[in-house]
Amino acid sequence: DTAVSQTPKYLVTQMGNDKSIKCEQNLGHDTMYWYKQDSKKFLKIMFSYNNKELIINETVPNRFSPKSPDKAHLNLHINSLELGDSAVYFCASSSPGGYNEQFFGPGTRLTVL
Amino acid sequence: GNSVTQMEGPVTLSEEAFLTINCTYTATGYPSLFWYVQYPGEGLQLLLKATKADDKGSNKGFEATYRKETTSFHLEKGSVQVSDSAVYFCALSGTGFQKLVFGTGTRLLVSP
Repeated sequence: DTAVSQTPKYLVTQMGNDKSIKCEQNLGHDTMYWYKQDSKKFLKIMFSYNNKELIINETVPNRFSPKSPDKAHLNLHINSLELGDSAVYFCASSSPGGYNEQFFGPGTRLTVL
Repeated sequence: GNSVTQMEGPVTLSEEAFLTINCTYTATGYPSLFWYVQYPGEGLQLLLKATKADDKGSNKGFEATYRKETTSFHLEKGSVQVSDSAVYFCALSGTGFQKLVFGTGTRLLVSP
């Protein structure tokens, strides 16, 4: 029944490592997003895909690479992790034309040591 | 660019008190406006929305009215409960493939 799911829920890793976060939605939406929430709870868009095509790419280091194998999945791969990448990453999805109501996943808490 | 400004928290209230969390926005065109809520350890949930001027969104006793003349979308609830303790985010979005732009969030703490 989960609408937007993310794995893993927690991720603890060392600086310099490469890691991936997976996101899946079963809502039949065409558009998916990645947001980053910092330690002060501030939320900022990182990427958005529509039908597997990148449509929003904010000023994010190129160590971050989203991949959308199909419109139900949007994964986030991070190379050469840095301390400042520690945050909670949220995946979301929406159907265009529906006033952009977005449905969020439970978040992945990434801690870089 | 588009932006959202929320009152800083935390907002601390006793149960059954009246709640107002202020939100103002800057945007081109006619954005849609949202309030999202984040309970401890969870993701964001849509609380209510309004898509055009003078619309009132409401859910679970919370209300907010889209005021174009004052570019505001203040969240109100007549009588808060301990279970309302959470972080509340005001957000806006244009139409089509538009990102959500969030305010900084306001933490609400309700004590019995």
